[in-house]
Amino acid sequence: KNQVEQSPQSLIILEGKNCTLQCNYTVSPFSNLRWYKQDTGRGPVSLTIMTFSENTKSNGRYTATLDADTKQSSLHITASQLSDSASYICVVSAGGANNLFFGTGTRLTVIP
Amino acid sequence: NAGVTQTPKFQVLKTGQSMTLQCAQDMNHEYMSWYRQDPGMGLRLIHYSVGAGITDQGEVPNGYNVSRSTTEDFPLRLLSAAPSQTSVYFCASSYGSGTYNEQFFGPGTRLTVL
Repeated sequence: KNQVEQSPQSLIILEGKNCTLQCNYTVSPFSNLRWYKQDTGRGPVSLTIMTFSENTKSNGRYTATLDADTKQSSLHITASQLSDSASYICVVSAGGANNLFFGTGTRLTVIP
Repeated sequence: NAGVTQTPKFQVLKTGQSMTLQCAQDMNHEYMSWYRQDPGMGLRLIHYSVGAGITDQGEVPNGYNVSRSTTEDFPLRLLSAAPSQTSVYFCASSYGSGTYNEQFFGPGTRLTVL
């Protein structure tokens, strides 16, 4: 069964600290993996997209890693800011825009 | 560019009522789709369209209709609302339906069915 599991479900960190969010998937065939940021009351916004051959990709303070052998990905946030408070959603594509599998997200709260 | 817009932002319906959720994009994207987001679940695909005049069902299409008469608009119709359709609905669009196309999401419509 195609599934995307994220951990932790929620996380609270102090402003300025780093954190890492995890994503495990069992989607097959694998095409690419995406991380989205979803602010409260808003739609998801793309952070990164990684293909099978990419194992690291950065977008500012966000760095995603992918291990296609173990079917795991992580999103590392460096020097967190209050504006990083959001849900982070891992999405795996099995090919085609209509074939996306969404995780339930990690709710990150950054406190001063 | 307004991107992907959705109206209304909030809606309350009674069981059995019908309504249309509006979605429009100004990026000349061929691919558009509708998702629902429920607590504790990932987004689930309702319907999608690869271009004007072409629509297809996603994972959870029952109780919903769509049409695509123009490239810009992709309305979602609830024919007879049920409490199980209480959810947050997101419209998304992308340049094409290919594997690597980035999806752009609208701000969502929060629907409550009593």
